[in-house]
Amino acid sequence: NAGVTQTPKFRVLKTGQSMTLLCAQDMNHEYMYWYRQDPGMGLRLIHYSVGEGTTAKGEVPDGYNVSRLKKQNFLLGLESAAPSQTSVYFCASSDSGPQETQYFGPGTRLLVL
Amino acid sequence: AQKVTQAQTEISVVEKEDVTLDCVYETRDTTYYLFWYKQPPSGELVFLIRRNSFDEQNEISGRYSWNFQKSTSSFNFTITASQVVDSAVYFCALGGVYGNKLVFGAGTILRVKS
Repeated sequence: NAGVTQTPKFRVLKTGQSMTLLCAQDMNHEYMYWYRQDPGMGLRLIHYSVGEGTTAKGEVPDGYNVSRLKKQNFLLGLESAAPSQTSVYFCASSDSGPQETQYFGPGTRLLVL
Repeated sequence: AQKVTQAQTEISVVEKEDVTLDCVYETRDTTYYLFWYKQPPSGELVFLIRRNSFDEQNEISGRYSWNFQKSTSSFNFTITASQVVDSAVYFCALGGVYGNKLVFGAGTILRVKS
C-alpha cells in the first residue's frame, strides 16, 4: 500500500496563477483533510471531507477550494495564488473522525512569488 | 474551544541524555484523544501514539514513554537515552469526538548532538 500520496512535491507559482494539489489514499478511509504548515504555527486545517461528495471548511479556508469526487481523492485548489499562501501543504486521511489516527502524505512545498 | 500548548519551542541535548517534551491541552469534551507525531528533517509526519481520555496508564515503547495526567491536562513525551536520529520536530495534537478537527500544538524542535 502506498498510503497517502501527494502531487506535486514542489511548485513555484506567480501571484495570481492557479493550481490544483492532488491527494490520493489507498486505505479506503472516509475522512480526508488538507492542512498547511507554517513556521511556529503547527498545522492548521484548511478544508476537510467526511466522505465522497462532501467538503467542509476548516480553520483557514479563505483562498482555497476543495473537491472530493471520488472517495480516494481529495483535491485542493488555489484559484488566484497569493504570497501568503507560500507554505507546506499536507494531506491526511483517517478511518473516521479526528478521534482516529490521521495518516499524512509527504507534503507539497508551494512557493508563491 | 480546544487548544494545545507546547511551550518548549526548541530543546538541545547531547546524545544519551533523557529529554521530556511537554504538552498541555484544553478541552471541554469529556471524551477526547491525544496524539504525538514526529516530523524528521525529511519532512514527513510520522504517527507515534494515540491515547484516549479514559486511559491514563503511562505507555512505554522502547526508548519512548508517555505520561498522561488528566489532573494537569498534560500528555508529556519522554525520550530515554536520546540519539541523533531523534532530532526532529515533535507535535502534540488533540481530537474530539464531537468536532471534526484535530488541533495541533506549534511543535517542539528537538536537536540531539553527538
